[in-house]
Amino acid sequence: QVQLVESGGGVVRPGTSLRLSCAASGFTFTNYGLHWVRQAPGKGLEWVASVSKYGTVTPYAESVKGRFTVSRDNSRNMVSLQMNSLTIEDTAVYSCARNIWSSSFDSWGQGTLVIVSS
Amino acid sequence: DIQMTQSPSSLSASVGDRVTITCRASQDIRIDLGWYQQKPKEAPKRLIYAASSLQSGVPSRFSGSGSGTEFTLTISSLQPEDFATYFCLQHDSFPYTFGQGTKLEIK
Repeated sequence: QVQLVESGGGVVRPGTSLRLSCAASGFTFTNYGLHWVRQAPGKGLEWVASVSKYGTVTPYAESVKGRFTVSRDNSRNMVSLQMNSLTIEDTAVYSCARNIWSSSFDSWGQGTLVIVSS
Repeated sequence: DIQMTQSPSSLSASVGDRVTITCRASQDIRIDLGWYQQKPKEAPKRLIYAASSLQSGVPSRFSGSGSGTEFTLTISSLQPEDFATYFCLQHDSFPYTFGQGTKLEIK
């Protein structure tokens, strides 16, 4: 069955970097766009970044543009989120999700927790 | 950015009740909207796509309607397993945006 499993979360200091990964299985990876979504404690969901099937389109939320980079490795069925210059406001559970590009997300992972704290 | 205003933010209801949740978009998003159910410690589950199409495997008591700027999710007869948080997602244009969520609780 479809699985999206995030990893890489943890506790980091402000200004540092972290790389999240999402391992996909159970489907043809190159048929789907992949997305990162986050939810800060007590807050709503926020779309963070997306990567199209072959990595040619990578939109970002304004709140992370210039600091975060999304990428995918179609040979390993993985999508990554490189997060630089982290701030306290980046504290959240980060989840990956997939879609047929331009449709709604049809599967999500359970997420990985990132805590940015001094 | 497209704002999605979801209401109510919380709802108390009983088994067997009919409930309706609404998402309003700040501009026309055609039918580019999905509805999701999320339970604690679980990944969100898509219930409805393209505003009114029922996801395979989802019970028929769930239905979606609307287009343009106003959308509704209806649960025709609440079952015990339906008590959860529900949210909408607009995917008409980036940045994709979500409704704030509706927590459906047992009365």
